[in-house]
Amino acid sequence: TAGITQAPTSQILAAGRSMTLRCTQDMRHNAMYWYRQDLGLGLRLIHYSNTAGTTGKGEVPDGYSVSRANTDDFPLTLASAVPSQTSVYFCASSPGPMNTEAFFGQGTRLTVV
Amino acid sequence: GQQLNQSPQSMFIQEGEDVSMNCTSSSIFNTWLWYKQDPGEGPVLLIALYKAGELTSNGRLTAQFGITRKDSFLNISASIPSDVGIYFCAGRGRFGAGTRLTVKP
Repeated sequence: TAGITQAPTSQILAAGRSMTLRCTQDMRHNAMYWYRQDLGLGLRLIHYSNTAGTTGKGEVPDGYSVSRANTDDFPLTLASAVPSQTSVYFCASSPGPMNTEAFFGQGTRLTVV
Repeated sequence: GQQLNQSPQSMFIQEGEDVSMNCTSSSIFNTWLWYKQDPGEGPVLLIALYKAGELTSNGRLTAQFGITRKDSFLNISASIPSDVGIYFCAGRGRFGAGTRLTVKP
């Protein structure tokens, strides 16, 4: 079972460029999330979606956008990357809303130079 | 906004020792979740707590949901080298900063 698949695994991106991080789940979970992980700060919620067609802002949404056109896919877009967006990005999904167990992807390591 | 304070930030222990870490929240939680992250991987759920006062065990791991619903702790007994990793508390989609555990053989 694939679970959560993220792509790419890693990327070096020039500042000012745009990029979309892809996330697909095959568990038919309703809720999906994007987190960024930075040393000493744990995982911080960027955006979330409780169900297909809806999205919400997390703790650190600025500079990021998401869409949830269907149940399986939840792409994260950086419209104009800045060096402070260098981080490891994790996509996750859960059967129900935020208080239920989340299943995580392997992460995307993004470096903005 | 809502904050999760997790402590300690890191622990260096000898194999066989017990470990305790805790988490406090600025607001009431209905669920506390404890995750472990191995290097290069995403976090994986260890224990879920759904009721105030609940004490739950999973092998050598024990976690409790505080009576005030604003705190939780995780204990690991008789640590082994594979316990190495980062442990996170979580609730309402938010995560603590993590406790980095190192176990010396």
